[in-house]
Amino acid sequence: DGGITQSPKYLFRKEGQNVTLSCEQNLNHDAMYWYRQDPGQGLRLIYYSQIVNDFQKGDIAEGYSVSREKKESFPLTVTSAQKNPTAFYLCASSAGRNNEKLFFGSGTQLSVL
Amino acid sequence: AQSVSQHNHHVILSEAASLELGCNYSYGGTVNLFWYVQYPGQHLQLLLKYFSGDPLVKGIKGFEAEFIKSKFSFNLRKPSVQWSDTAEYFCAVLFTGGFKTIFGAGTRLFVKA
Repeated sequence: DGGITQSPKYLFRKEGQNVTLSCEQNLNHDAMYWYRQDPGQGLRLIYYSQIVNDFQKGDIAEGYSVSREKKESFPLTVTSAQKNPTAFYLCASSAGRNNEKLFFGSGTQLSVL
Repeated sequence: AQSVSQHNHHVILSEAASLELGCNYSYGGTVNLFWYVQYPGQHLQLLLKYFSGDPLVKGIKGFEAEFIKSKFSFNLRKPSVQWSDTAEYFCAVLFTGGFKTIFGAGTRLFVKA
C-alpha cells in the first residue's frame, strides 16, 4: 500500500528540547516537503528536497533542520531555536517533475509542555 | 513575493445550495493551479488541477474550477453541495519552473444537513 507515513501522530516538546518528526515514503518520489499548518494561515513551507543529499529552505525555515540521506526518508528536527513550535506538521512528496501534485502524510501534531 | 489569497475563511451552507470559493494569486508567470481538500480525520488530497488547455476543469465529487488568467483567479464551484462536502479547502499554486507549491489560508466549509 503506497503512501507517506508520518510518526508520531502526537508529540510533546519540553522547553529547550530538540525533537525529530519522521517522514517515510514508498512512492519512489524524488521530491519531499515539510509544511507547517496553523489555523487561519494555511500551509507554509519549511524545507524541501528535490533529490537525495540536497535540500532548500522554504519560507519559514528558522528553528528547523532537515536531512535527506535516503530517497524515502526526510526527517524534520524542530530545534530549541523555534520559539513557537506548536503546530500541525505535514510531510508531502511529489514525483519531482514540474506540475506534479503533492501527496500528503497524515501529519504530526506538536505541542509544547 | 508569490502569494495565494482565499476570500473566505469560513462558509456555512445548507444542503443543495451552490458553492463558490474564491482564489487569487500574485503574478509570477505561468502557473499550475490546484485545489486540495481535507475531510475531517483524513489526509489532505487533490480535488482538481489545472495545467493548460481548457480553463474550466472538472474534479472529483462534482467540483469544478475556472482559471481566469486576466484576473489571476481560480475559483472553485459546485452546483449543489452535500453534507459530505464538509471539509477544509485549500487553493494552491505552483509557479512553472519552481518546486514550491504555495497554499492559501484555506476555507472551512460546513454544510448543514
